[in-house]
Amino acid sequence: GQNIDQPTEMTATEGAIVQINCTYQTSGFNGLFWYQQHAGEAPTFLSYNVLDGLEEKGRFSSFLSRSKGYSYLLLKELQMKDSASYLCAGVSMIKAAGNKLTFGGGTRVLVKP
Amino acid sequence: NAGVMQNPRHLVRRRGQEARLRCSPMKGHSHVYWYRQLPEEGLKFMVYLQKENIIDESGMPKERFSAEFPKEGPSILRIQQVVRGDSAAYFCASSPLVGEQYFGPGTRLTVT
Repeated sequence: GQNIDQPTEMTATEGAIVQINCTYQTSGFNGLFWYQQHAGEAPTFLSYNVLDGLEEKGRFSSFLSRSKGYSYLLLKELQMKDSASYLCAGVSMIKAAGNKLTFGGGTRVLVKP
Repeated sequence: NAGVMQNPRHLVRRRGQEARLRCSPMKGHSHVYWYRQLPEEGLKFMVYLQKENIIDESGMPKERFSAEFPKEGPSILRIQQVVRGDSAAYFCASSPLVGEQYFGPGTRLTVT
């Protein structure tokens, strides 16, 4: 199967930095998405990595190493509103058209004052 | 540009009834995906559709579940003879050919 593994829960302090790791099997995925999901709400897009390296977007950065099957999401200058679940999702092509997302179980991040 | 729309947002059904969940993709998107999220779990892919075609239904249970995306109108996920284990949040996402999937607000199905 195509497993996506990420920690279940992390706690950090307001203003700090948190790194959420995600590991996956190296075959089968063409890229990696990160989504944020607040309780009871829809996932919202954060980042998409298809090439190796770091993608920076404001306070959020995402890194991908395809050879190692490893990605991380870095949240800087944490704010209370960042308390949410962060979902790592591998992308695989479906019959050369469209993308199927395989999600990990999500990492619940709790930001404390 | 309206986002992905789903209705109803909340649906309560008794065991044995049918549940119909609707999804209207973003304007210009012809690819629709359905995902299920059980309480305290991650999202699981169910089915991928384009207009009038089911492209991949590898995540759909073999019985009681069906999906369609007609030429006109929204995509429909239909669950017949619902059971308690079907209680979950059902999310629809749409995308252009490749790239980011935009998620709708979800339908929370409760089976009593």
